[in-house]
Formats: sequence, structure tokens, C-alpha cells
Amino acid sequence: EVQLVESGGGLVQPGRSLKLSCLASGFTFSNYGMNWIRQAPGKGLEWVASISSSSSYIYYADTVKGRFTISRDNAKNTLYLQMTSLRSEDTALYYCARLNNPYWYFDFWGPGTMVTVSS
Amino acid sequence: DIQMTQTPSSMPASLGERVTISCRASQGISNYLNWYQQKPDGTIKPLIYYTSNLQSGVPSRFSGSGSGTDYSLTISSLEPEDFAMYYCQQYDSSPNTFGAGTKLELK
Repeated sequence: EVQLVESGGGLVQPGRSLKLSCLASGFTFSNYGMNWIRQAPGKGLEWVASISSSSSYIYYADTVKGRFTISRDNAKNTLYLQMTSLRSEDTALYYCARLNNPYWYFDFWGPGTMVTVSS
Repeated sequence: DIQMTQTPSSMPASLGERVTISCRASQGISNYLNWYQQKPDGTIKPLIYYTSNLQSGVPSRFSGSGSGTDYSLTISSLEPEDFAMYYCQQYDSSPNTFGAGTKLELK
């Protein structure tokens, strides 16, 4: 059974940093591209970042470019999102999701981890 | 970025009713249109991918159609577990983008 479990969320002050993790199980992690998607309270879904299976290709939304870094450790079956210079508008539930290639959709999602940026 | 306009934003409906949710892209997206369901507890699962392909395990009352810029999700006969949020997503062009969502509510 495919499972994705995010962790690392919490309350953080503006300008500070936080690192999220997503532990994957039930599939060969190193074969799949992975993504972070977020949802601000009461709002819709916003794609944040993606990373290819071997980390060769990495993309970011303009809203986080230069502040967030996506990475992965295939030996540990874990996806990461390092978030720096956090702003109040980064407050959201952060989901990790597996990318289905070649159909280009997110076929498995974790339950999410909440990040609250507030003083 | 491609804008996805999803309508309606909310829809009251009854058990057994047939409903359709629409999604319009700001430019053609070559059928790279997906649909997701989000439950009140935040759980998200895919329903339809590449316009009309049913995700494994999803009931056959869900179907998708469309082409070019206009796409739709249809639920043929609403069951209690279908009252949730629904989002469309395009993955034809980077960045992939989502519609604003449709809340399907019990009438």
C-alpha cells in the first residue's frame, strides 16, 4: 500500500526557517517524481515545488522561488522542503504527492502537515 | 500561467441527483486535465486523469469529458460520500495550476 506521511510542520515566526519531510512507503520511491502542494486556510490548492526521480529536474512556483528548496534522499525514501524567510502568506497545510508519469497527475497524496507563520 | 476557471463554486444537490462541474482553461491544455476530491478532513484523492480516465478504485458514477479549453466532471447519481470539494488541475503547461474548487453540498 502506497503511503506518504508528512511531518515537520508547526508554528514559526516570520523570517524564520522550517524543514518539512515526507516519508514514502509501499512503492519504489526512486522511480517517481515528487511534489509539494499547499492549501492556505479556506483557500484552494497551490502547487509549490517538484523534483524528478533522480533530482535532475527541480521546479518552483514563483511565490516560493529563492526561499524554498525541495530535495530528496532516495536511500531514505524521503522528500524534503526547506523553507526559509517564511511569511504569513506561507501559512498553509502542506501536502506531498507522487507524480504519475506519463499522465501527469498526482496519484497519491499524504494527509498534510500544517505550517503556521505568525509572531 | 494558465488560469483554470471552475464553475460553480458551490452546488447544493440531492442524493441520487446527476451533477456536472465545469472547468475552463485560459488556453488549450491538450486534455491534460485532472480532477481531485477533497474530503472535510483534508484527504485528497484523484478521481479522473487525462480528461476521462477513471482512477483505480473510483466508482464508475464518476466520469470526465472535454477537449481544448472546456472540461467537465459528472457524477451520475450522488451518494452520501460524494459531498466534498472538487478541484480541476491542468498539467499541460508549467506551472501546473488548479481551479478554485467546487463545494458539493447536500440540499
